[in-house]
Parts: sequence; structure tokens; C-alpha cells
Amino acid sequence: GQNIDQPTEMTATEGAIVQINCTYQTSGFNGLFWYQQHAGEAPTFLSYNVLDGLEEKGRFSSFLSRSKGYSYLLLKELQMKDSASYLCAVMDSNYQLIWGAGTKLIIKP
Amino acid sequence: DTAVSQTPKYLVTQMGNDKSIKCEQNLGHDTMYWYKQDSKKFLKIMFSYNNKELIINETVPNRFSPKSPDKAHLNLHINSLELGDSAVYFCASSQGFGGPDIQYFGAGTRLSVL
Repeated sequence: GQNIDQPTEMTATEGAIVQINCTYQTSGFNGLFWYQQHAGEAPTFLSYNVLDGLEEKGRFSSFLSRSKGYSYLLLKELQMKDSASYLCAVMDSNYQLIWGAGTKLIIKP
Repeated sequence: DTAVSQTPKYLVTQMGNDKSIKCEQNLGHDTMYWYKQDSKKFLKIMFSYNNKELIINETVPNRFSPKSPDKAHLNLHINSLELGDSAVYFCASSQGFGGPDIQYFGAGTRLSVL
């Protein structure tokens, strides 16, 4: 079966750095997405990786290793507004997105 | 301007009723989706339409029927609602299908079946 694993919850301090991991086993691979979802709101796109390596976008970076079936989202200079759930999703061979359950990130002052 | 809008935002109803959720996107996208997000927060694809044609139809009870009158609209009708249908339903759209297209989501419809 297809499976996306990410930690359920993480806590970090304002101004710090946090890394949210995602491992996946899917039928084929056509890219990995990270989305942010604030409580009670819609998921919004953060990043996309299809080749191995690091993609940097401001305070957020995403890394992919296809051979290991592994990705992480790195958030730097954490702000209180970064408190949200972070969803990892893999596009499979049928171009369907398979979603993880999300990692709830709690930022403390 | 809201890119993907769905109505209603909240829906509370009795078991056995029939209800509809509407979705509209003004992004000019060709592909639209319906997702169900359950209490464990997994997003599960239900349906996808590309240019009004059904392209994804996951294992969903046939009480759920999508309708796409044009490529900017994808509505979801649910017959004979059951307790297990309580969830948040998200509509989304993307430029196309079959590529790394970003999906844009509506704000969700919180359905509670009593």
C-alpha cells in the first residue's frame, strides 16, 4: 500500500529552527509537496521537490532524497504565525496526491 | 477575490437527509477536486474533474455524486447522509492534470451529521 509518515506533533521556540521529516512509500513518484494548514483553514502550498536536493524559499527550505524515500521541511527564524499543521504529499504514478496526516507545529514564545 | 470558494462553510444536518456543497474557482484552472479530511486529518481524494470530465473516482459510496456544469464549478451532492460522513470537505483546483501542478484549496465545508 501507499504510506506517508510524519510526526504527529512538534514543539519549537520562537526564533529557533525546526525540521519536520516525512518518509514515504508510494506507487511511483512524480514529486513531493509541502503544504501549510492553519487550524480551521485551507491547506496552502509551500514547496515542491521532484529532484534530489534542497529547495530554498525564504525562511522555508525543503529537501528530498528519492533513494531514501525521505523529505524534510526546514523552517528558520520561527515566528508565532508559523504555528500550523504541515502536510507532506507525494504525487504517485497516477498523478494523484497521497497525503500524510500532517505535523502539528506548536511555537512557544 | 477568493480563488476557490465553497459554500456553505458549515453544514449541520440529520441522518438520512440530502445535501449539496458548491465549489467555484476563478483561476481559469482546468482541473478540480473534492477531498474529505477526517478527524485524523488525512486528506483523501474523492473525485477529480478535468475540463468537466471525471478523471478520478476513488472508492466512494455512490451516495456521493459530483457534478461539473462547467470547468469553473464542481458541486458535490450527498444522498442519505450517514454519521460517518461527518468531516471537512475541501474543494481544490489546479492548472492541469498529469503534472506537478499546485493545488489551490477552498476554505472547507464542515459537515456534521447528527
